[in-house]
Amino acid sequence: QKEVEQNSGPLSVPEGAIASLNCTYSDRGSQSFFWYRQYSGKSPELIMSIYSNGDKEDGRFTAQLNKASQYVSLLIRDSQPSDSATYLCAVNIAGYQKVTFGTGTKLQVIP
Amino acid sequence: DAGVIQSPRHEVTEMGQEVTLRCKPISGHDYLFWYRQTMMRGLELLIYFNNNVPIDDSGMPEDRFSAKMPNASFSTLKIQPSEPRDSAVYFCASSTRTGVASTDTQYFGPGTRLTVL
Repeated sequence: QKEVEQNSGPLSVPEGAIASLNCTYSDRGSQSFFWYRQYSGKSPELIMSIYSNGDKEDGRFTAQLNKASQYVSLLIRDSQPSDSATYLCAVNIAGYQKVTFGTGTKLQVIP
Repeated sequence: DAGVIQSPRHEVTEMGQEVTLRCKPISGHDYLFWYRQTMMRGLELLIYFNNNVPIDDSGMPEDRFSAKMPNASFSTLKIQPSEPRDSAVYFCASSTRTGVASTDTQYFGPGTRLTVL
């Protein structure tokens, strides 16, 4: 079992719709969870971090964490073509500064 | 503030040659990470440093790979000899402890695209 798993996609949604990206992780000791966005040919950039169960909202983005189910998700409301990118889920094990990345989900927002 | 700086941005070399990738972290950051990204394996951590000291090199694929951080503002990743399977994008990232969270945001450089023929 991979440490961090994501559906590779592509996930296609129409402009204005809600995009839902999912991630599961294997280590119950994980404490910090991150979503990075990576445009084609560019480097990853952090868009959301979440540390406790529940929802965390930032603009059009909402991160959801369920530690009991070892599941973290990212919702993008009112999706825009500029949101088209690969979204990487990253998870940290308690006490360590390093994170483990999933292989990413490619999102395509269709105008 | 300048972000993480990497050089070269592109490197094309022949199998068997030595390759050196360079990274300058964000000033004041005390953690530095080297990653490799391929389509098949995604983003893999190779090694990371804290205060110039290597903390975890378990991701370094084999002895052909080595990394150094002689000071707080410079790190190198060397591959000797290079092989075609080393072709990938290599990212450097840096971070610092803010005390707010157990793990802090990593800021990535633009990457070096390595092609080994």
